[in-house]
Amino acid sequence: KAGVTQTPRYLIKTRGQQVTLSCSPISGHRSVSWYQQTPGQGLQFLFEYFSETQRNKGNFPGRFSGRQFSNSRSEMNVSTLELGDSALYLCASSSTGPTQETQYFGPGTRLLVL
Amino acid sequence: AQKITQTQPGMFVQEKEAVTLDCTYDTSDPSYGLFWYKQPSSGEMIFLIYQGSYDQQNATEGRYSLNFQKARKSANLVISASQLGDSAMYFCAMREGTNQFYFGTGTSLTVIP
Repeated sequence: KAGVTQTPRYLIKTRGQQVTLSCSPISGHRSVSWYQQTPGQGLQFLFEYFSETQRNKGNFPGRFSGRQFSNSRSEMNVSTLELGDSALYLCASSSTGPTQETQYFGPGTRLLVL
Repeated sequence: AQKITQTQPGMFVQEKEAVTLDCTYDTSDPSYGLFWYKQPSSGEMIFLIYQGSYDQQNATEGRYSLNFQKARKSANLVISASQLGDSAMYFCAMREGTNQFYFGTGTSLTVIP
């Protein structure tokens, strides 16, 4: 099975712009979660989508939004970029079944905001 | 209160020796899962091992084992026979039901030849 894929892998944007990141989960996985990782704040949960519905949400401003499509692929959008949004954005997918399903991560998208 | 606590920011271990990475958790939910992930410098998070709250035995996956002490709310990762490729950040995580995953701040492990 192919793993979780994320595109693009690297991105450079300027302040005020917006960006869209994409995540394709492992085939058959219906849950997709997004995380932001920075050296200062560590790994922070953004949101989780399950069957096209947001199931869980972290404590991020409304500039961060996401969606999930019927094929379980997910996109994350950040509007009005700030310097502090520079980070590694990780996507993870998990299967249905027992509640404590394991998350499998993609390689991440490194975003640099100038 | 922190859901996951990893108190060791950095650890060193001699190659071929065993090492224990500490993790404590906080939950009142009787049903939860505990996970360990490895993050090499490349950035990708690699799943290592899972322990369910109702599992009677400690989980093992190759050189990885999870020392699960439910009463103490502890889920330490034991890596046996350390290899140079084990040098990485290690994250402990927990999920209660279908709630979000909670991650610790990580432990940086360096294996010395």
